[in-house]
Amino acid sequence: GQNIDQPTEMTATEGAIVQINCTYQTSGFNGLFWYQQHAGEAPTFLSYNVLDGLEEKGRFSSFLSRSKGYSYLLLKELQMKDSASYLCAVFTDMRFGAGTRLTVKP
Amino acid sequence: DGGITQSPKYLFRKEGQNVTLSCEQNLNHDAMYWYRQDPGQGLRLIYYSQIVNDFQKGDIAEGYSVSREKKESFPLTVTSAQKNPTAFYLCASSMGLRSEAFFGQGTRLTVV
Repeated sequence: GQNIDQPTEMTATEGAIVQINCTYQTSGFNGLFWYQQHAGEAPTFLSYNVLDGLEEKGRFSSFLSRSKGYSYLLLKELQMKDSASYLCAVFTDMRFGAGTRLTVKP
Repeated sequence: DGGITQSPKYLFRKEGQNVTLSCEQNLNHDAMYWYRQDPGQGLRLIYYSQIVNDFQKGDIAEGYSVSREKKESFPLTVTSAQKNPTAFYLCASSMGLRSEAFFGQGTRLTVV
């Protein structure tokens, strides 16, 4: 089985940088995904890490350390529209963490 | 356009009735998944299928059933045995377990 942990809620200021952490314990590993979900909507794909290191995609970056079972999502130049839940998933069998609800304040 | 479609968007049923939620994809994906989401909570896996005519239980399969007779379709039936069926149901598909998943827009089921 697997266990995925994320902070429940975070708050940050518009224009700032925020890091959302995800730790996992799993019997197998073939990739870690990050999704964004606005309230009442379907999740949308943000990033995918299969090797250790940093993957950058515009204002969003994701980091993975397989030896530590740890990942983070970094959001730069925060905008109000970034207020959403951020979900990590270890894709041994498509199970998600509970998600981190991010609130961006002016 | 390619995508994954869930219907209907909103569904109301009386307690004790079975109800089937539709999920269709034209992305030629092998794998399909069903999730349940309760207010303020994360996604919980109900069932998933990696190939036609095969599917596996997720974490909360009790009270639900699925079929995968066609690659494009993965309907979910919420049976009367599901004690608390009111929730937001999301269907997803991917090329396989190593690939990003694409989600449908979800079906909000309310049982009264």
